[in-house]
Amino acid sequence: SQQGEEDPQALSIQEGENATMNCSYKTSINNLQWYRQNSGRGLVHLILIRSNEREKHSGRLRVTLDTSKKSSSLLITASRAADTASYFCASTDSWGKLQFGAGTQVVVTP
Amino acid sequence: DVKVTQSSRYLVKRTGEKVFLECVQDMDHENMFWYRQDPGLGLRLIYFSYDVKMKEKGDIPEGYSVSREKKERFSLILESASTNQTSMYLCASSLLDLLLLQEYRDTENYGYTFGSGTRLTVV
Repeated sequence: SQQGEEDPQALSIQEGENATMNCSYKTSINNLQWYRQNSGRGLVHLILIRSNEREKHSGRLRVTLDTSKKSSSLLITASRAADTASYFCASTDSWGKLQFGAGTQVVVTP
Repeated sequence: DVKVTQSSRYLVKRTGEKVFLECVQDMDHENMFWYRQDPGLGLRLIYFSYDVKMKEKGDIPEGYSVSREKKERFSLILESASTNQTSMYLCASSLLDLLLLQEYRDTENYGYTFGSGTRLTVV
């Protein structure tokens, strides 16, 4: 079963705009991570937020975590065509296993 | 700078064949994982291993087995390939005790390291 579920499933924006995607999860987590996947490739880790953190920044990425709502959001600011990819959230359980959602496909057009 | 290597990018096998997917990591990670990725279903965990010769079933282990004879290598085995095992297979590795990361300050960008994936087609 999927632990994380992303919303929306697909997002199409223009360069310079911000992209926001959300993720919900079902059970208690140790931390939550966001990954990026270019078409047909493996996943690349973007950012990790611990369960006791509420917000985190890394470059143009901003992640929030609301454990009371069991949800997280990823914001990509000033998007570029190179940000076109699928983005996945993944929650870590107490054993350190990651459970992934189905992902959000983001297309950034020049 | 390759850290997790999957032996094949594309593989075509016949129904009933025994298939081996190999994964090697050079980061001395204890944990290794095999996922399959299908459209609309995201990544689903097949098997994982916390140490040499140790293996644990993930969410969808049926039809698969694994082997971890050396720390750096984790093999996924399809005992008798079937068409519903056509998928993208992703290997990943991580450090052992992720719970300890709560205490570490240098984990700003920690996560699993994935291989590039093997797209398997069973005909």
